Amino acid sequence: GAGVSQSPSNKVTEKGKDVELRCDPISGHTALYWYRQRLGQGLEFLIYFQGNSAPDKSGLPSDRFSAERTGESVSTLTIQRTQQEDSAVYLCASSPGQGWHTEAFFGQGTRLTVV
Amino acid sequence: GNSVTQMEGPVTLSEEAFLTINCTYTATGYPSLFWYVQYPGEGLQLLLKATKADDKGSNKGFEATYRKETTSFHLEKGSVQVSDSAVYFCASNAGGTSYGKLTFGQGTILTVHP
Repeated sequence: GAGVSQSPSNKVTEKGKDVELRCDPISGHTALYWYRQRLGQGLEFLIYFQGNSAPDKSGLPSDRFSAERTGESVSTLTIQRTQQEDSAVYLCASSPGQGWHTEAFFGQGTRLTVV
Repeated sequence: GNSVTQMEGPVTLSEEAFLTINCTYTATGYPSLFWYVQYPGEGLQLLLKATKADDKGSNKGFEATYRKETTSFHLEKGSVQVSDSAVYFCASNAGGTSYGKLTFGQGTILTVHP
């Protein structure tokens, strides 16, 4: 694919329901990031995958949040028992991961609205 | 730990004015530094980057110089246009235990009026 693909682009869910967000990184990119962007605010780091290393989960805000990645391909971010404060745009990015000089490429994001 | 601090916005300028958006970082080691831009309704995209001290990144008339002595990477443009209205994010990517992880500043909203 040409770029990082995220689905769905928009998701409206009822409070208390679980949601799953998907990210397809650029082929061959070993690094993958999830960020959260609340309305009018900056980027909040959630989780970082790099190859086969243990993911950096230090940004996950609570145990309701989890993410998985199969090898160097698709990643899913799951939010259980959603709350209204989870409403935000969830951004995924991938990077070739070869050293820290390389840039990250972002998807268009999933806009999550919890009602 | 690693962190990035940007000047608070929003910033409002008239067309052809000079722009500076300040960015400072703290990091272990020698990070790479980036400016990303988010135009209205679009995703984040890389604007420019610098990977070592005294490097200057440039793109679309924007420039930023990696200053190790002041741990800064300020974004500048000599003459802004209405089309530059966007949110600008400074970011660092450091080694050590945070190897490869991008750390972003809070973002600065820029509005340029005709």
